[in-house]
Amino acid sequence: AQKITQTQPGMFVQEKEAVTLDCTYDTSDPSYGLFWYKQPSSGEMIFLIYQGSYDQQNATEGRYSLNFQKARKSANLVISASQLGDSAMYFCAMREGQYSNAGGTSYGKLTFGQGTILTVHP
Amino acid sequence: DSGVTQTPKHLITATGQRVTLRCSPRSGDLSVYWYQQSLDQGLQFLIQYYNGEERAKGNILERFSAQQFPDLHSELNLSSLELGDSALYFCASSIKTSGGTNEQFFGPGTRLTVL
Repeated sequence: AQKITQTQPGMFVQEKEAVTLDCTYDTSDPSYGLFWYKQPSSGEMIFLIYQGSYDQQNATEGRYSLNFQKARKSANLVISASQLGDSAMYFCAMREGQYSNAGGTSYGKLTFGQGTILTVHP
Repeated sequence: DSGVTQTPKHLITATGQRVTLRCSPRSGDLSVYWYQQSLDQGLQFLIQYYNGEERAKGNILERFSAQQFPDLHSELNLSSLELGDSALYFCASSIKTSGGTNEQFFGPGTRLTVL
């Protein structure tokens, strides 16, 4: 079963408008983290925003905000005031197990969704 | 610039060959992760090292191996290459703390083309 689902292969938005990119996840671990990354055409992966499963408030980072609905297992990315430079592939990712234990184990791999290509029109 | 470096940026080779991809994590980061991004499989976790020790394995083929050296740089070795190994290979690093975001910072990737 898919752990991370991004149902929108492509999205279009007008410059200066807001856009929401959908992400649903599946885990039985009570402790997890959700990430959004941006991948422009140049290929690099750019970290945008993080939401921990125990965080009480939705995460915000500048024009990015995460609409976290825990009961629905969704973590949608909202980009406000879209810019032409926002055109890119966007990936939602999950890390299960938020904290290390006393043994100092890792913080866990990221499981990625299939991505959404966002195109911003002038 | 994430602070993670990967070399080479591009690699073109033939089937059956062996290549080594190199990664230097951000200063102070002890964990190194390798991911493969291909058109058909998407972004997939391959393997993780923490302070020189293997910590987790994902969908890594037996033809692939990796290691992390005492100076914390890591190498991913791909052997008996097949056409389907053509992909973008990312290295990411993260720091170990008692909590917090611990986001993984990705390098620019190595684009491998197997002809």
